[in-house]
This record gives sequence, structure tokens and C-alpha cells, in this order.
Amino acid sequence: NAGVTQTPKFRILKIGQSMTLQCTQDMNHNYMYWYRQDPGMGLKLIYYSVGAGITDKGEVPNGYNVSRSTTEDFPLRLELAAPSQTSVYFCASSRGGAGNTGELFFGEGSRLTVL
Amino acid sequence: AQRVTQPEKLLSVFKGAPVELKCNYSYSGSPELFWYVQYSRQRLQLLLRHISRESIKGFTADLNKGETSFHLKKPFAQEEDSAMYYCALNLVRAARQLTFGSGTQLTVLP
Repeated sequence: NAGVTQTPKFRILKIGQSMTLQCTQDMNHNYMYWYRQDPGMGLKLIYYSVGAGITDKGEVPNGYNVSRSTTEDFPLRLELAAPSQTSVYFCASSRGGAGNTGELFFGEGSRLTVL
Repeated sequence: AQRVTQPEKLLSVFKGAPVELKCNYSYSGSPELFWYVQYSRQRLQLLLRHISRESIKGFTADLNKGETSFHLKKPFAQEEDSAMYYCALNLVRAARQLTFGSGTQLTVLP
């Protein structure tokens, strides 16, 4: 049981390049999230999903896109990378429905640098 | 608007001393609060949640609605408690959208 797996762990991008951060979970969780963490700051929610085919914006969605075609996968797309997107990105999942205790399970994080 | 405030970025205590990590929140509804912890080279993980009223690894946290606080306490700190601690508030219960404080790095000195 791997939990939440993110790839890549590290990436350097040039301004204007595009990339996708991959996230997959094997816990059959309905809810999935993408957070970013800037130095000295708390985690900020980018996008979230409450099930396959359903996504919604969080606090800081500009410059990002997501999709949720399966329960397991929740990729985060950066279309035109900007230096302001330099951050550590965390994917998380949680159980939905009656068994939802509110606990989020996190991936190890992906450190992205845009130069 | 800052929903969760952790005023101390760094906190150092000696082993065996009491420790309190402060968390204040702003929320008009009935809050649901959590403490998450990240040990060195490990993932961010749940430490405790206020609705459970539980003690985990000797830590407790009491929700004080009057002071809008959810401070994390432990009477006798251990070196293995050294970690980054985040207080989190659930803004939208159904979707479990957590908003996190900026974190407190706790160092327990020998």
C-alpha cells in the first residue's frame, strides 16, 4: 500500500514551459487535493476534487489546471510556468462519505523551480 | 484574511520541559481543527483532531472558542518530538478543505 505517490520529486523549468505533476493514490479515496507551500508560509489549496469527473478551485488556482478522470489519479498541469510558481507542491487524499474523519494523507512533495 | 495563525516560526525547549505550540484561528462557524506534523524526511501526517479529544504521543490540544485558540501542549518534551507542526482549520466540512497555518519548527534540545 503505497498511499499517495507524487512524481517528479524535483524539477527545474524555464519560464513559459509546461509540465504536469502526477499524483496517484491506492487507498480508493474520493477526495484529492493539490497544495503549494512557499517558503515560510502555510500550505495553500490550489485545486481539489470530490470524485472522478469533479474538480473545483481552491484558494490559488491561477496558472494551474487539473483533471480527475479516475479515482486514483489527480494530475496538476502548469501551462506557462512563471517564477511565482516556484514552490513545493503537495498532493493529498482523504476518504469521503460517512467514514470521513477529516484526515488528509499526503504525498512526499514535489519541489519545482522556475528560472 | 488569515484564518490560522501560528505566531512562532521557531520554538526550542529542553528535553523534559513543557512545550506549547500556539494556534489561533478566525472562523465564524463551528470550527473543526487539526494538528499535523512533519518529521524530518517524512510526510506530513495527522497528529490529532479536536473532535477526538485524544492524546497522541503525549500531545493534547483543547479548543477554546472564547479565545479562538487550539494550542498544542505536551508536559514533557522528548527529542523525537522535534519536527514541523502545522495547525489546520477545515473551511468546508463536506470537501474537507483545510487551511493551514505557516507552521512552527519545534526543536527539543538534549
